[in-house]
Amino acid sequence: GENVEQHPSTLSVQEGDSAVIKCTYSDSASNYFPWYKQELGKRPQLIIDIRSNVGEKKDQRIAVTLNKTAKHFSLHITETQPEDSAVYFCAAALAGGYQKVTFGTGTKLQVIP
Amino acid sequence: DAGVIQSPRHEVTEMGQEVTLRCKPISGHDYLFWYRQTMMRGLELLIYFNNNVPIDDSGMPEDRFSAKMPNASFSTLKIQPSEPRDSAVYFCASSFGQHYGYTFGSGTRLTVV
Repeated sequence: GENVEQHPSTLSVQEGDSAVIKCTYSDSASNYFPWYKQELGKRPQLIIDIRSNVGEKKDQRIAVTLNKTAKHFSLHITETQPEDSAVYFCAAALAGGYQKVTFGTGTKLQVIP
Repeated sequence: DAGVIQSPRHEVTEMGQEVTLRCKPISGHDYLFWYRQTMMRGLELLIYFNNNVPIDDSGMPEDRFSAKMPNASFSTLKIQPSEPRDSAVYFCASSFGQHYGYTFGSGTRLTVV
């Protein structure tokens, strides 16, 4: 089955700086890569996703890049703000059919004001 | 839509008791997922349904866990008998299509003493 590794497990940045979280996946057939944000004590929420037919996707201060050859994808947050502090989860799946979405272990991001 | 609704929000029970967690997915969503979250194991997929039919229950820890989805608007996760190691936050999520963003409920924090 799919295996997703996520790094780093914790990340502290100064407000205004950029943050990068990286994930690798094992199944080269995977083609759907969502990212979820979970604030303390709250539910995970989808913030962005990417499919393998594109290499990059942006949404305001958030961007996802995908390298299919290397089997890794990254979340980039620019101009970080204190409200970006949360745990971020990456995930991977083979879209189509009954393939499970496999989550990474999470990255706790702390934005220091 | 009110989103994915879970009840109860908190449950404290004694070891050996039966626990029933409830979930109402978003109307029109055809997939429903039950996840368990702990610090040690992260987000674990327990079981998921497509059009009310269980597709994959390989994540259910053992026979003490069971899940049902009698109709498109309701699902239950039952633990009987409960044990202290079952203490966790249990999330229900739904989606339209399996490989599109999940909407998570607020979760049920279960404590078994």
